[in-house]
Amino acid sequence: QVHLVESGGALVKPGGSLRLSCAASGFTFSDSYMNWIRQAPGKGLEWLSYISGTTTYTNYADSVKGRFTISRDNAKNSLYLQMSSLRAEDTAVYYCVRAIRGYSALFDYWGQGTLVTVSS
Amino acid sequence: IVLTQSPGTLSLSPGERATLSCRASQSVTGNYLTWYQQKPGQAPRLLIYGTFSRATGIPDRFSGSGSGTDFTLTISRLEPEDFAVYYCHQYGGSPYTFGQGTQLEIK
Repeated sequence: QVHLVESGGALVKPGGSLRLSCAASGFTFSDSYMNWIRQAPGKGLEWLSYISGTTTYTNYADSVKGRFTISRDNAKNSLYLQMSSLRAEDTAVYYCVRAIRGYSALFDYWGQGTLVTVSS
Repeated sequence: IVLTQSPGTLSLSPGERATLSCRASQSVTGNYLTWYQQKPGQAPRLLIYGTFSRATGIPDRFSGSGSGTDFTLTISRLEPEDFAVYYCHQYGGSPYTFGQGTQLEIK
């Protein structure tokens, strides 16, 4: 059974940094593209980034390019999102999301999310 | 690609038919269009992918149709558990975008 558990969400000041983690289980982690998607309070969904199974390919939304870095450790079945230069508009629930094998952004399993609040 | 969903809110009763629309600002490559359902406090759940295909475990009252720039999610007979927010999403090209959502509420 696929299980994704995010952690690392916190209250951080504008301009600060934060690292999110996602622990994956129940599938061959290295076979799947993994993504981060966020949802601001009461708002819709925004795709942020993906990373390929072998880490060869990464991609970012313009809103986070140059500020956020996605990475993974296949030996630990873990996905990460390093966030820097955080802004108030980055306040959201951040989801770790698996893509169906063979696709980069066809999302089948989602974690429950971790809340990041950017405020002074 | 900007995805625009309509209506913003749809008020219906259990047993009725629901028709949700998603319009793309340009043609969606490969008709790579999905629909997700999200209930309060929960992560989204995949319902339909590739415009037409139901995800594993999704009841057949859910169906998807469309092509190019116009897509539709139809729920043939609403069950109480179907009242939620529905998002369309295109995965045909980066940046991968979502519609703003349709709130399906009980009338």
